[in-house]
Amino acid sequence: AAGVIQSPRHLIKEKRETATLKCYPIPRHDTVYWYQQGPGQDPQFLISFYEKMQSDKGSIPDRFSAQQFSDYHSELNMSSLELGDSALYFCASSASGTSGGTQETQYFGPGTRLLVL
Amino acid sequence: AQSVTQLDSQVPVFEEAPVELRCNYSSSVSVYLFWYVQYPNQGLQLLLKYLSGSTLVKGINGFEAEFNKSQTSFHLRKPSVHISDTAEYFCAAQFSGGYNKLIFGAGTRLAVHP
Repeated sequence: AAGVIQSPRHLIKEKRETATLKCYPIPRHDTVYWYQQGPGQDPQFLISFYEKMQSDKGSIPDRFSAQQFSDYHSELNMSSLELGDSALYFCASSASGTSGGTQETQYFGPGTRLLVL
Repeated sequence: AQSVTQLDSQVPVFEEAPVELRCNYSSSVSVYLFWYVQYPNQGLQLLLKYLSGSTLVKGINGFEAEFNKSQTSFHLRKPSVHISDTAEYFCAAQFSGGYNKLIFGAGTRLAVHP
């Protein structure tokens, strides 16, 4: 079965550079979520999109922005990178239920490991 | 405040022994609960989930969990572990009105020894 695809899998950047992470959801999934997992930490919710509109926002720095495109893939843009941005960034996708409620199991991609030097 | 607490940061266990990983949540609204497993340098894999219905849910790899509303718990169990079960286990919750985002616990490192 098709899974969530993330690219690149690994990324090394210098401080103050920019980075773009891409996420391709499972086919027919209309919702995308981004999470950040620091070293030894639990994943923290950053932002989510449903049908190309931002649906929720978590602890995402103002230096970061994201969007979901017409083909449902999503990109997380990170500017003015800091050492503390080094983390594993996960994308997850889900398919909205007929109720539009919360019964939407999220399936995670393999993550993008970002290292800021 | 809505939160998820995993009471044990590390659980060492011998191969073929039973194991229980504890998870409690705090919420005044309805909640859906999940367990994910993360193998070293890999992503998060869904083990099992509780949405409604039977409070005992079975997942992959022989794991099961029981939802206990009165104790606000969702402990994960396996009757006999294998070396290959060594991984980080995360309990997560979706709270009603939370726009479906997952709130994770801090994780429990299960270390299975021969």
